[in-house]
Amino acid sequence: GAGVSQSPSNKVTEKGKDVELRCDPISGHTALYWYRQSLGQGLEFLIYFQGNSAPDKSGLPSDRFSAERTGGSVSTLTIQRTQQEDSAVYLCASSLRDSWTETQYFGPGTRLLVL
Amino acid sequence: GDSVTQMEGPVTLSEEAFLTINCTYTATGYPSLFWYVQYPGEGLQLLLKATKADDKGSNKGFEATYRKETTSFHLEKGSVQVSDSAVYFCALFKTGANNLFFGTGTRLTVIP
Repeated sequence: GAGVSQSPSNKVTEKGKDVELRCDPISGHTALYWYRQSLGQGLEFLIYFQGNSAPDKSGLPSDRFSAERTGGSVSTLTIQRTQQEDSAVYLCASSLRDSWTETQYFGPGTRLLVL
Repeated sequence: GDSVTQMEGPVTLSEEAFLTINCTYTATGYPSLFWYVQYPGEGLQLLLKATKADDKGSNKGFEATYRKETTSFHLEKGSVQVSDSAVYFCALFKTGANNLFFGTGTRLTVIP
């Protein structure tokens, strides 16, 4: 079946502009995650959604970052007033979250470049 | 806090060489351990996993054994191919946590 999809695949923006990144998880997956992969660094957790529960926002680096998940499916990550240090690949993942082994399936990512 | 430490890269091997990528972790309790792979231009893919001590995960000729006594989950392959060139990430997940903890990744290049 279809995997996790993300759009756009690439985004170039100017410093100070707002951007929206979209994630479509695997159908039926209740858990959705956003991570950030910066150049030369590992993957950094940003936010986690599970069903209708309040999201875990503990990984968001600043109040310029926000995310929502509509209808328990599609999610949008918004970065306001972008800064050059926001340049990174933003990865979305989803999982069934029905067992404690927690296999997450990742999308191809959105590569964001802030000029 | 929980963390994963991976062997620094990059690693360059000739085809058919033996591969080891070291991974150690710090975590309380009994985490599940994973290796993810990122091929050039593609997203992260699960390579293998192990959910309890002494379990061995295996896939595509790769293996890793969950060693609680040494808190390690080293990735091995007996004979690498050019198509194995990718970035490999070790990760852990603890029951009750809300995210995977990743290592920094190890870039492997296999030359013919």
